[in-house]
Amino acid sequence: ELKVEQNPLFLSMQEGKNYTIYCNYSTTSDRLYWYRQDPGKSLESLFVLLSNGAVKQEGRLMASLDTKARLSTLHITAAVHDLSATYFCAVGRSSNTGKLIFGQGTTLQVKP
Amino acid sequence: DADVTQTPRNRITKTGKRIMLECSQTKGHDRMYWYRQDPGLGLRLIYYSFDVKDINKGEISDGYSVSRQAQAKFSLSLESAIPNQTALYFCATSDPGPDNTGELFFGEGSRLTVL
Repeated sequence: ELKVEQNPLFLSMQEGKNYTIYCNYSTTSDRLYWYRQDPGKSLESLFVLLSNGAVKQEGRLMASLDTKARLSTLHITAAVHDLSATYFCAVGRSSNTGKLIFGQGTTLQVKP
Repeated sequence: DADVTQTPRNRITKTGKRIMLECSQTKGHDRMYWYRQDPGLGLRLIYYSFDVKDINKGEISDGYSVSRQAQAKFSLSLESAIPNQTALYFCATSDPGPDNTGELFFGEGSRLTVL
């Protein structure tokens, strides 16, 4: 059974600081997704990682994938308040595209 | 206008009532999904459909049924709602496309409270 675990589940940080959210998964997968959710809102796709060693960056966020370690990271550089949200990682299988297993979510609070 | 539209956005109902959540999309995607979100549990797949004639159970299908009325419409029903079905429900679509990314596109969510 494929399980996805994120840590930490809650992160409070000061503006300007760096931090990393970790996403571990239990069985082989060749694709990893990161989503952002603002309170009471829908999920917005941030990154799609499709191969071992994939790295993608958008603004202050950078995501990477290590399929051998079954680990993805979401690194936040010089956090700003607008990054406050809940971040989900999700894992899929190429043969079952769209059937994603989600992590519990990491709620990020960036304080001025 | 949103590409994936869910109705109703909020609903309060009583135990034993039948509830239908509707989803329509203008993205032209064949694949549609219903997920349920509970605090601390992330999102879990209820049902999915890869085309109009294809319906499949997800992780937590018990107590739910679905109907794919057209490529663009996918409805979720709770035949007899119970309090532990109180949750935020999301409809999503995907399109394998040439890149086959499997990326999901979500609706705005339907918050259901069962008293």
